Amino acid sequence: DQQVKQNSPSLSVQEGRISILNCDYTNSMFDYFLWYKKYPAEGPTFLISISSIKDKNEDGRFTVFLNKSAKHLSLHIVPSQPGDSAVYFCAASRHTGNQFYFGTGTSLTVIP
Amino acid sequence: ETGVTQSPTHLIKTRGQQVTLRCSSQSGHNTVSWYQQALGQGPQFIFQYYREEENGRGNFPPRFSGLQFPNYSSELNVNALELDDSALYLCASSFERGAEQYFGPGTRLTVT
Repeated sequence: DQQVKQNSPSLSVQEGRISILNCDYTNSMFDYFLWYKKYPAEGPTFLISISSIKDKNEDGRFTVFLNKSAKHLSLHIVPSQPGDSAVYFCAASRHTGNQFYFGTGTSLTVIP
Repeated sequence: ETGVTQSPTHLIKTRGQQVTLRCSSQSGHNTVSWYQQALGQGPQFIFQYYREEENGRGNFPPRFSGLQFPNYSSELNVNALELDDSALYLCASSFERGAEQYFGPGTRLTVT
């Protein structure tokens, strides 16, 4: 049972434009959400997180939006850069520090 | 600061055999989580160790077992290997079961 879903396996964006990656979850008990970036032959790297008490968190070019009623979160990257090309995973948990449920990932390609 | 390291990088085993994978956590981290990532899927939580005790387990059979040592390094043992155990095994460390986990590069296990 996939509790966290990323329905777009891939996304291509022109350099300088906005990249929007989407993630849906089914478990209303999830209260902490994270985004990870993964390059080939490397482990995932933490990017940004958001707690369910917020609806937006921003860190430089990266912003995560959380819509609890829709059980949906999105990651916005503005402006997109070629170095952002990677696989992005969203993850969710019921409380911090314990079991995390990952989506299947979205492969982002930023075209120079 | 030393990052998370895993050994070996690649491993080929035969069905029915046993395997041990190793993980050294990032300096200062006392929590290690193990994940299985099958091809085209997101990481799936196997279990977490905190201060040498198991602190949560995902939906994996008992033939997946683990250990954490006093220096907080960890082992993942899999007995009676099956073909479906072929995957990338990731470990991630954090401080005090914190949500911000730092992943190692993974061990690619192939079961033939």
